[in-house]
Amino acid sequence: DAKTTQPPSMDCAEGRAANLPCNHSTISGNEYVYWYRQIHSQGPQYIIHGLKNNETNEMASLIITEDRKSSTLILPHATLRDTAVYYCIVRVAGTASKLTFGTGTRLQVTL
Amino acid sequence: EPEVTQTPSHQVTQMGQEVILRCVPISNHLYFYWYRQILGQKVEFLVSFYNNEISEKSEIFDDQFSVERPDGSNFTLKIRSTKLEDSAMYFCASSRTGQRTEAFFGQGTRLTVV
Repeated sequence: DAKTTQPPSMDCAEGRAANLPCNHSTISGNEYVYWYRQIHSQGPQYIIHGLKNNETNEMASLIITEDRKSSTLILPHATLRDTAVYYCIVRVAGTASKLTFGTGTRLQVTL
Repeated sequence: EPEVTQTPSHQVTQMGQEVILRCVPISNHLYFYWYRQILGQKVEFLVSFYNNEISEKSEIFDDQFSVERPDGSNFTLKIRSTKLEDSAMYFCASSRTGQRTEAFFGQGTRLTVV
């Protein structure tokens, strides 16, 4: 699996946009970028995924650079409930699609 | 909104005992997974299951572990003879297809081996 690199922690003020970066410089052409988050010890929660185009859903936006070597997850208006560990995962195509979790970015949203 | 449900939420067992962790995946999903997370550590893949057989398993998933889909709705993880180091949160997940769609996770079963 291609590896990802994320900052260990970030802070964000409530109401502001949270921009979480991820490097995946060894990503292959048919690998997707997935973002999950984990609040406390709850089950990981799917946020968004993309291949090469930018994606947006009700939770977040995903911006993938043209060379696909990095991406940014954007939470447009962070709330206290967005405090969690965010995982950027590259999913290997052609397998049974296990997700390989790293240590992620611990996002702390503050008042 | 459909969700993956896991029971029990917390299980305490004595070392050497067998435990069965239960999961009800989302109804139209075809791929099923177990992951675990030891306290303070990463979420680790254990096994994936499709079409009534194991698709992939990790090194953690040794002969002490087995999975089963005993009927059309349940998906179980059995640990035959628990060890102290099996204490962890166990998460079940399911996805509609194997590659391109998201996997949804349950809230987990906290297994404590004493």
